[in-house]
Formats: sequence, C-alpha cells, structure tokens
Amino acid sequence: IQMTQSPSSLSASVGDRVTITCRASQSITTYLNWYQQKPGKAPKLLIYAASSLQSGVPSRFSGSGSGTDFTLTISSLQPEDFATYSCQQSFSSPKTFGQGTKLEIK
Amino acid sequence: QLQLQESGPGLVKPSETLSLTCTVSSGSISDSNYFWGWIRQPPGKRLEWIGEIYYSGTTYYSPSLKSRVTISVDTSKNQFSLRLNSVTAADTALYYCARLWSGYSDYFDSWGQGTLVTVSS
Repeated sequence: IQMTQSPSSLSASVGDRVTITCRASQSITTYLNWYQQKPGKAPKLLIYAASSLQSGVPSRFSGSGSGTDFTLTISSLQPEDFATYSCQQSFSSPKTFGQGTKLEIK
Repeated sequence: QLQLQESGPGLVKPSETLSLTCTVSSGSISDSNYFWGWIRQPPGKRLEWIGEIYYSGTTYYSPSLKSRVTISVDTSKNQFSLRLNSVTAADTALYYCARLWSGYSDYFDSWGQGTLVTVSS
C-alpha cells in the first residue's frame, strides 16, 4: 500500500493552525499512525489508529480520517513542533510510510 | 521509561553482512503485548519497515528484503538483532529499532535514536 503525504514541505509561524494530509493507495480503514521526527532524536508516536492521541502528546495534535484520506492537525504551532511528520499504515504487510512533511518556521 | 539503543558497526563493505543489535532497558522484551522491529531511512528518503520479531521468535519480514534479512531475539540479554547480508550502497541508511504494540491497531510506540550505517569500500 502506497502512502502519499501533502505537502512535502510547509512553512508556518508560531500560533498557526496546520494540517497535513496523508492518502493511502487503497482503503486502510483507520489503521493509520502519525510520527514526529527531529534530527538526532528518536521518532515519536503522536497519533495511532487515525485519531487516538498517544499518552503524553499535547492536545494541540489531532488526527482524523478513515478509508484512504487522513489528516494530522496542529491547532496552534509551538516552537518545538517544527519537525518532520510521517504517516504509516498498519492495515497490511508490509507496513509502509509516507514520504514525510517537513514543517519549517516561516 | 522504556529505552532502546542500537549498536553495531557504522561502516560495512559492499557484499558483506550488516549486523546491528538493539538493547532494551527499563522494560522486558518478553512482554507478550509487543513485537520488536527494525526500520531504516536512507538519506533523503522515507522510512522503510524491515521486519519484526516476537519474543518467542516469530518473525515477519518485508518482502523486498526477505531474502537477505534475519532478525533474532535473545531474551536473556533483553536484546534483538538484525542481520542483512550482501549489502550494497542502497543499504546505506539510518537504522532504527522500535517497539511495536500489536493489538487492534499496530503502532511503533517507542523508538531508539537510530544508528547510521554506511556501505562503502
């Protein structure tokens, strides 16, 4: 299953509301996870099962969608949120990831 | 808090075998709720799932790598390992180990920081 994210990069300011989209090449129901990556650090799980917030993740992060179209929303960007975000499907093997969305400071 | 740490050579020659170990601390690799996985990321490319193992030894591999990959587990040491043979420059990547919650929905809930492996003569 191919995972395609849009946009591939995004410039935004602190306090902005940001939405990242992930599209699957076939239906994956809600078997969709979102991760945050920063250079030199371990990737961090943000959202699992499309809309469940991982423990300890700030509530400004939210996920939605089902079938083939999914979104990750950050309601009010904080300085520590500038990173790369990747989606991943666990509907079928092999598990596959999106190409990543790099969120940069405007 | 669970910690995972990758270790192994940072440089491997073409045609040789890449070997990495992931040491799990502050948690048990024998926890029945989890699998343990390897994921890699070539420079400038997306994350790629390599495979995963259960503490009992059950494994699942990516079809694209299956002929070259072996993942094993040592519960006595709380470690699991990756072997990738016949490597080429295309195997140059940042290699991560991670814990996989395997339930209604599978997800990698804890990751190591990653180790860069370069394939070069």
